[in-house]
Amino acid sequence: EAGVAQSPRYKIIEKRQSVAFWCNPISGHATLYWYQQILGQGPKLLIQFQNNGVVDDSQLPKDRFSAERLKGVDSTLKIQPAKLEDSAVYLCASSRFRDPAADTQYFGPGTRLTVL
Amino acid sequence: GESVGLHLPTLSVQEGDNSIINCAYSNSASDYFIWYKQESGKGPQFIIDIRSNMDKRQGQRVTVLLNKTVKHLSLQIAATQPGDSAVYFCAEKDAGGTSYGKLTFGQGTILTVHP
Repeated sequence: EAGVAQSPRYKIIEKRQSVAFWCNPISGHATLYWYQQILGQGPKLLIQFQNNGVVDDSQLPKDRFSAERLKGVDSTLKIQPAKLEDSAVYLCASSRFRDPAADTQYFGPGTRLTVL
Repeated sequence: GESVGLHLPTLSVQEGDNSIINCAYSNSASDYFIWYKQESGKGPQFIIDIRSNMDKRQGQRVTVLLNKTVKHLSLQIAATQPGDSAVYFCAEKDAGGTSYGKLTFGQGTILTVHP
């Protein structure tokens, strides 16, 4: 089975510019997650979708970050305007949602964002 | 240049040795504990998990031990190979309330295996 796909793999922008990341989860996975991983740290959850609805966006900086999953499959994460501290790897993960406790989350390769 | 991993614990072993990576967790209500392996330029890869009602679980070359009394988790890798070199993260999951299976990652450990 194909894994989680993400694009682009790398992106360099200047501060105050906007950027968007795309994620295609594993086929049949109802739950999709976006994480931010700052260099030297573990991933931190930004937003979690269940199908096309938001389950948890408590750690998403909503003044500049937005995410959508309109048809319950692919998702986009946008940053506008970007700040220097947004430099990080943005990881997408998905899980089946048969059992939120036991479901394994599978991660994509991530998008490395550098803000200059 | 980048200061990669300056603040992460490190473990260096010789090929063939056994490795033990430790993790302290914070939430006593967590239901599941998971170990992920992350190689450079890749996303975290699931290794093994353990439910809170267990204290040991074994996989292929890996064993996870859970001590709820002291909130400690460990990952044992038998006969460590150069391909095991990576950053290892523990993560905890609280399936109750509104957490909905949210993963909280701990600090990673850099494992380096010398041939």
